[in-house]
Amino acid sequence: SSELTQDPAVSVALGQTVRITCQGDSLRSYYASWYQQKPGQAPVLVIYGKNNRPSGIPDRFSGSSSGNTASLTITGAQAEDEADYYCNSRDSSGNHRVFGTGTKVTVL
Amino acid sequence: EVQLVESGGGLVQPGGSLKLSCAASGFTFSGSAMHWVRQASGKGLEWVGRIRSKANSYATAYAASVKGRFTISRDDSKNTAYLQMNSLKTEDTAVYYCTRLTYYYDGGDAFDIWGQGTMVTVSS
Repeated sequence: SSELTQDPAVSVALGQTVRITCQGDSLRSYYASWYQQKPGQAPVLVIYGKNNRPSGIPDRFSGSSSGNTASLTITGAQAEDEADYYCNSRDSSGNHRVFGTGTKVTVL
Repeated sequence: EVQLVESGGGLVQPGGSLKLSCAASGFTFSGSAMHWVRQASGKGLEWVGRIRSKANSYATAYAASVKGRFTISRDDSKNTAYLQMNSLKTEDTAVYYCTRLTYYYDGGDAFDIWGQGTMVTVSS
């Protein structure tokens, strides 16, 4: 399968921890990257590779992977973390890219 | 400043054509793989296609939903990538983003620079 599946929505209390998962066969071979998108804005890269953050991304964002599942964890969620989150990777052929279905994170 | 700026979006009738541009600045465009991603209103991100660098033979690849209708090209002398869209359908209506794919030392890769997007509406 070339699909990446995410839970549609999750909620987290302010200051608590939330984990977002991304499942797909291609993740057994390739790393996922993670993107945050707020309404009306372009996506922003938050995690890439094994567990790397671009400059300017808070260290409360972290990534991990096991088998066919990649995860993005927000430790100590802040109000500004409320957004849609998408994973991305290569598809099983390695020649195309595929985005996850997206997860809406609500901070309560 | 590192940035990508898309242009060329607008209203087009079904079956029509449109060409989007993506102007790059602040980084070595000629060595970069450039991708197009779209997002219909209220929907998720959808990968459209990509063009690699001259060193990688300007190789292109497309999503099944646009293959045969869309063509990606680039002009390294102008630091610009293009998305030629033909035989447009109502389902092609979306915000179109261009983005750079960067490869990292640990084997990962990611879209690290994004444009602001340009809206394409296909309607009669």
